[in-house]
Amino acid sequence: AAGVIQSPRHLIKEKRETATLKCYPIPRHDTVYWYQQGPGQDPQFLISFYEKMQSDKGSIPDRFSAQQFSDYHSELNMSSLELGDSALYFCASSLGLPWGQGVSPLHFGNGTRLTVT
Amino acid sequence: AQKITQTQPGMFVQEKEAVTLDCTYDTSDPSYGLFWYKQPSSGEMIFLIYQGSYDQQNATEGRYSLNFQKARKSANLVISASQLGDSAMYFCAMREGSDTGNQFYFGTGTSLTVIP
Repeated sequence: AAGVIQSPRHLIKEKRETATLKCYPIPRHDTVYWYQQGPGQDPQFLISFYEKMQSDKGSIPDRFSAQQFSDYHSELNMSSLELGDSALYFCASSLGLPWGQGVSPLHFGNGTRLTVT
Repeated sequence: AQKITQTQPGMFVQEKEAVTLDCTYDTSDPSYGLFWYKQPSSGEMIFLIYQGSYDQQNATEGRYSLNFQKARKSANLVISASQLGDSAMYFCAMREGSDTGNQFYFGTGTSLTVIP
C-alpha cells in the first residue's frame, strides 16, 4: 500500500539558510499535517491542511510557512534557520471523516532529519 | 491541561512476557479517537492500534490490544508475548471528532525496553 512520502530524508543546513521539505500524502487522504520532533521529545504539531486549505495552526514559528498544492502534496518552507530548528520533521496524512463517523488515524512519513550547523 | 498523559517514561519487560503501557486522556467531546504509535530508534512513526469513543469492544491488532476504560478516561496499550523488536518509544494520541480543527494530541511517550 502507498505510504506518505517525505523528501529529503536528511538535510544539513547552516544557520540563517533556508530549507524546503516536501510531503506526498497517501492518495485520497484529504488532510496533511506537519510535526516537529526534537531529540527525546514528543511530536509537536506545526500546521495542518484540509483540502488544500490551512485548517489548524500549532507552534509553527513565523519563519516557517507551509502550503498544500493542487496535487495535494505539501511543502514546509523554513527560513533563517536556527540551531534549535534541528529536529525530525514529520508529515502525516489522514482521511477527514464527517463527524460521528469515526476518526481516521494519522499515517506518518519516515520524516526528514534536519541538522542546522 | 494535558490532553494525553503517559506517566511511565521508561518500562522494562522480559521477552515473551506481557506489558501494559498507560495512557489517560482528557476531553469533553463525546466523539474522539485514541491511537497508539510505535517509534523505533530508526525514527519512523508506526501506527499500531485505534479505539473509537463509541466502540463497544476493546480494539485488538495481533499482539496489541487496547484496554479502553471510558469512565476512567484511560486507553492502555497491552503488548502480549513481548519480542526484542518491540523495544521502542510508544506514543498515545487522541483526536477529538467534532473538533473544527484537525489536531492530534500526543503524550510524552513511554520508552519500552525488552530484555532477552
